[in-house]
This record gives sequence, C-alpha cells and structure tokens, in this order.
Amino acid sequence: GAVVSQHPSRVICKSGTSVKIECRSLDFQATTMFWYRQFPKQSLMLMATSNEGSKATYEQGVEKDKFLINHASLTLSTLTVTSAHPEDSSFYICSAARTVNTEAFFGQGTRLTVV
Amino acid sequence: GDSVTQMEGPVTLSEEAFLTINCTYTATGYPSLFWYVQYPGEGLQLLLKATKADDKGSNKGFEATYRKETTSFHLEKGSVQVSDSAVYFCALSDRKGGKLIFGQGTELSVKP
Repeated sequence: GAVVSQHPSRVICKSGTSVKIECRSLDFQATTMFWYRQFPKQSLMLMATSNEGSKATYEQGVEKDKFLINHASLTLSTLTVTSAHPEDSSFYICSAARTVNTEAFFGQGTRLTVV
Repeated sequence: GDSVTQMEGPVTLSEEAFLTINCTYTATGYPSLFWYVQYPGEGLQLLLKATKADDKGSNKGFEATYRKETTSFHLEKGSVQVSDSAVYFCALSDRKGGKLIFGQGTELSVKP
C-alpha cells in the first residue's frame, strides 16, 4: 500500500502558458500533501504544504500566485504553474501523508521544461 | 532553523566496497531522521528511518544509527552493488514524518 502517483511525468510547455501537475494517493486518504522542487544536482526544497479543504501554506520565497495549489479531495492535490517561464523548469515532486504527523510517500516526480 | 548536512559527492566505489555517507543535523527538539534514495529520473523512495536516539534503521543491507550525542545519522553498507548507484538524501522531520528537510544529496556511483 501507500502508492502516490504524479501526472504527467514529463511536460514541455511554452513560455507564458500554465501547466497543471496532479498528485494522487492511490490506496490511502491523504489529509496532507507536500510539494517540493528540485533543481539539477541539488536538494529538494519544500514549496508548500496543502491540507485537504483548506488553503495551502507556502514556504518563504515561494510565490503563491504563481504556484497555485489545490487540495480538493483526500486523494488529489494539484500544482498549477501559471505563466510559466524558463526559470520555472525543474523537477517537481509531491508527497502525501495520511496525517500531518505521519510518514509521507513520494510520487515519481514531474520534469517540467518551459521553452 | 533545522538543517541537514551531507558529505559531498559524487562518491565512486568499486563493487563490494564498504560505503559510508556522512550526515549531520541541526534541530531543536528530537527529530525523526530518514534516508531516501533517488534512482535516475525517478522520485524518492524511503530507504530507512529512525525516530529516536540510538535507534538503528536498516533495509536492503543499508543501516544508520541515530546518534544524538554527535547529531549524526551516517549511512553504511558493507558491500555495495552496481544497482546501488543512485542519489542518497538524508532528511529530518520534527514529527514522525510529513514535512521533511533534506540534505543536499550524495551521488553514489558503483563500478563493476
């Protein structure tokens, strides 16, 4: 059990467009989901924490109007990169946890390339 | 704030060599500690964890002991395989899971 699926695994979009990334917990209900960003050969940086039914909590320095997070159900959270630019190109990874205090399981990540 | 520091890579070893990847942390309170592994192009997989001082986490021949006195959680394996080639991340959480703070990652390359 505890499978988290991210979709798409890779996406290429044009500058100025928006792209949506989905994170689904397939076999458990996740009240909390986390979104991380990973630059090449660097660590993962937490972008935001989303709780089902409430607004996401963004880490310092993350633009909430650019990275829209929605956690509308116990099995789905979405990250929308709005008006994407080449500097938004990165590897985005989500994780999902049954509760905020329990182990989080990671999705396989989404490689976003903005051209 | 809390932080995790790992030894820099890349680390290159021959098959069957002994592996140590150092990890130290700074945290208030008593964090839980984790090692994650990331294979090329993939997400993260939990390798092992320890939730209190002196706990030893182990999995697939890897092990790490939570040392509160030295604030360390070094990863070891007695005999590495080519299939162990990946990036290894040390991480901490101020709870038993959930939100994680990661080290910078250490790339391991094992040659036949």
